[in-house]
Amino acid sequence: AQTVTQSQPEMSVQEAETVTLSCTYDTSESDYYLFWYKQPPSRQMILVIRQEAYKQQNATENRFSVNFQKAAKSFSLKISDSQLGDAAMYFCAEGGSNAWGGSEKLVFGKGTKLTVNP
Amino acid sequence: DAGVTQSPTHLIKTRGQQVTLRCSPISGHKSVSWYQQVLGQGPQFIFQYYEKEERGRGNFPDRFSARQFPNYSSELNVNALLLGDSALYLCASSPGRDQETQYFGPGTRLLVL
Repeated sequence: AQTVTQSQPEMSVQEAETVTLSCTYDTSESDYYLFWYKQPPSRQMILVIRQEAYKQQNATENRFSVNFQKAAKSFSLKISDSQLGDAAMYFCAEGGSNAWGGSEKLVFGKGTKLTVNP
Repeated sequence: DAGVTQSPTHLIKTRGQQVTLRCSPISGHKSVSWYQQVLGQGPQFIFQYYEKEERGRGNFPDRFSARQFPNYSSELNVNALLLGDSALYLCASSPGRDQETQYFGPGTRLLVL
């Protein structure tokens, strides 16, 4: 069964500093995708970044980057130059590709609550 | 372009009642998935539909059912509500074939009393 583990229930960072959120996963799929979603108090789940497992190069999106270690099944998120608006719950998720070519169900971790201090 | 929309935003029901939640995907997206998020937890997969056919079902009782319409919108139905069904219900859409990213709506907050 697929599992996603986020070992840090809460993290805090000073504004403009860098923070890293941890995620490990377990899957038997050979073709899969990894995601970080952000959920602010407004509840809307927003895609932060995604990584295709077949790509060795780590994904980056502006201030957000990942450290993808496939052999270790580790997928951490680094937020640089943290801003007050980054405060939210962050969820790591894993999903595969269906036989019909579409996206497989997502399996989520329990989340990490990020606080950004001014 | 409009994102995924869900209705209603909030709902209060009593035990034993039935509820229907609605979701409209992003224009052009053919796949819709439903998730249940209990307070303090990550979302749990309930159903996935693609081209109006059920493509996946999570570990939820038969009280939960869903369908997808020709315009790709979807409904989630829950019968015989229990207190434990209180949660945020999220709908996500994706383009379908060869597109794996799911985009989420704002959710429907269901409270069962």
